[in-house]
Amino acid sequence: AAGVIQSPRHLIKEKRETATLKCYPIPRHDTVYWYQQGPGQDPQFLISFYEKMQSDKGSIPDRFSAQQFSDYHSELNMSSLELGDSALYFCASKQGESSGANVLTFGAGSRLTVL
Amino acid sequence: SQQGEEDPQALSIQEGENATMNCSYKTSINNLQWYRQNSGRGLVHLILIRSNEREKHSGRLRVTLDTSKKSSSLLITASRAADTASYFCATDALTQKLVFGQGTRLTINP
Repeated sequence: AAGVIQSPRHLIKEKRETATLKCYPIPRHDTVYWYQQGPGQDPQFLISFYEKMQSDKGSIPDRFSAQQFSDYHSELNMSSLELGDSALYFCASKQGESSGANVLTFGAGSRLTVL
Repeated sequence: SQQGEEDPQALSIQEGENATMNCSYKTSINNLQWYRQNSGRGLVHLILIRSNEREKHSGRLRVTLDTSKKSSSLLITASRAADTASYFCATDALTQKLVFGQGTRLTINP
């Protein structure tokens, strides 16, 4: 069965550089969530999209932006990277913003290392 | 953590023993879920319990929910080496986004 695909799986950047992470949700899933997980930390909600519109916003820095495209894939853009941005970034998807069981399917994550 | 604490933070037991992890949360919820994460990998959904349920079973998993105490427990019976992972509880309320607890790192020793 198709899962949530994230790319790249690993990314190494220098401070002040930019990075773009991509997420391809499960087919027919129209809701996408982005989470950031620092070393030894719990996943922190960043932002979510439903039907290509931002539906909720969490602790996402102003240096980050994201969008969901017409094919429902999503991209997380990170600029002016800082050492503290080094983390695992997860994308998750589900079908329907208000579907009864709020179960998310997570991708394998993109590991960003900022040097 | 945005939502609450998990207890214990780390647990090491022998294969075949039962493992119990606890989670506390701060706000009213619709559902509480447990997810599993192998080291550096994605999170995998294990089980969901609704706010009006008190106990739920799925295979070797048993989840309880006490909304008056804002707490939940996950019991894994007859543990196996393959159960070694981090376990997170996650809650959702009106905003639908999942808010995760800090997780319990479970090690099953063969």
